[in-house]
Amino acid sequence: DGGITQSPKYLFRKEGQNVTLSCEQNLNHDAMYWYRQDPGQGLRLIYYSQIVNDFQKGDIAEGYSVSREKKESFPLTVTSAQKNPTAFYLCASRGQGQSYGYTFGSGTRLTVV
Amino acid sequence: GENVEQHPSTLSVQEGDSAVIKCTYSDSASNYFPWYKQELGKRPQLIIDIRSNVGEKKDQRIAVTLNKTAKHFSLHITETQPEDSAVYFCAASLSGNTPLVFGKGTRLSVIA
Repeated sequence: DGGITQSPKYLFRKEGQNVTLSCEQNLNHDAMYWYRQDPGQGLRLIYYSQIVNDFQKGDIAEGYSVSREKKESFPLTVTSAQKNPTAFYLCASRGQGQSYGYTFGSGTRLTVV
Repeated sequence: GENVEQHPSTLSVQEGDSAVIKCTYSDSASNYFPWYKQELGKRPQLIIDIRSNVGEKKDQRIAVTLNKTAKHFSLHITETQPEDSAVYFCAASLSGNTPLVFGKGTRLSVIA
């Protein structure tokens, strides 16, 4: 779906539970990003990775963790330490060359129940 | 770090009129400025972008202008249509080496 796939589309988390959001791309992009979207807040950066086995914290990394073991995959774990996880989560990738624009996944809507 | 401010937060226009959305950025080193359109429940889609070596760029009914001195850039949509209704985000970054920093978005409603 546009070269970058997020799953699941909807996810429900119980109190105290860790959940993992999947992000896979087949665009051969080096850089991948996780953003959180809340109404009226725009997109805020959680984590990003510019190369395999390396990642950097964004503006709101607390309560989240990531890994980048493969170029194609950049999963995000929402831990129990994230006290307000209900949001729309967007994964994006970016290639080299002429365009610096992102390709976004279709998003995962996470709800705490 | 970079900070991007976007105005207005909501905008209503009559079909056929023009719409203008403005953004300011703080880091004078930023040199890449994209605009994204996000329809309800969908992913953001890149609609136009501009680099700092260019002052204006057009693509059919949409255009972006950049004033590097004032550190602001604007999206212009002419002859608006109901399908232009969406949330629009501006963003800024230093080329491809830093993550995009987004504005908070503008909800555009085109009234038929």
